[in-house]
Amino acid sequence: DTAVSQTPKYLVTQMGNDKSIKCEQNLGHDTMYWYKQDSKKFLKIMFSYNNKELIINETVPNRFSPKSPDKAHLNLHINSLELGDSAVYFCASSSAGAHTGELFFGEGSRLTVL
Amino acid sequence: AQSVTQPDIHITVSEGASLELRCNYSYGATPYLFWYVQSPGQGLQLLLKYFSGDTLVQGIKGFEAEFKRSQSSFNLRKPSVHWSDAAEYFCAGNLYNQGGKLIFGQGTELSVKP
Repeated sequence: DTAVSQTPKYLVTQMGNDKSIKCEQNLGHDTMYWYKQDSKKFLKIMFSYNNKELIINETVPNRFSPKSPDKAHLNLHINSLELGDSAVYFCASSSAGAHTGELFFGEGSRLTVL
Repeated sequence: AQSVTQPDIHITVSEGASLELRCNYSYGATPYLFWYVQSPGQGLQLLLKYFSGDTLVQGIKGFEAEFKRSQSSFNLRKPSVHWSDAAEYFCAGNLYNQGGKLIFGQGTELSVKP
């Protein structure tokens, strides 16, 4: 069983469209994240949810809206896609506790905006 | 500002040779430090972590890292590299109160020559 799974793995779309990426974890973790990896492989956190509550919201355009229906799922919806949104988006999860930072990552969703 | 720096973008070593990947950090306090590995088309996997205590930490796949406060470094080492170690390696850090908000270095791509 895949611990952190994301769908779709690849997404090609036109500018201006709206798209969603789904993430599910079966590790029983309380906290989930979205990280963005750009074309230079630089990774940056976007959002974090703990037990369905938003706890980290970095400086991300409000076209990006995360939604957590339950603690095992964290979806990312992107409105009005722009060329600069092309990247690999990684979902991750971790257990609660002082030593967070031990993240379990999904395989990534590669978004290409044409 | 908090930062993690990996000075080497790309390193090539021969199979069986030793490896050292450099990582430097800049934080107001001693951060938690991590090394992650990303194989092509895959998510990130945690290799090892440093929280406190013994400054030499052992990880999976035969890797180790040494925390040196005086040099603000957390270098990753392996005594004998295998072809399967070819991947992208990321150093990351966070503070105890930042949860899973990791700050990543730029990554070092490791190539292994036969």
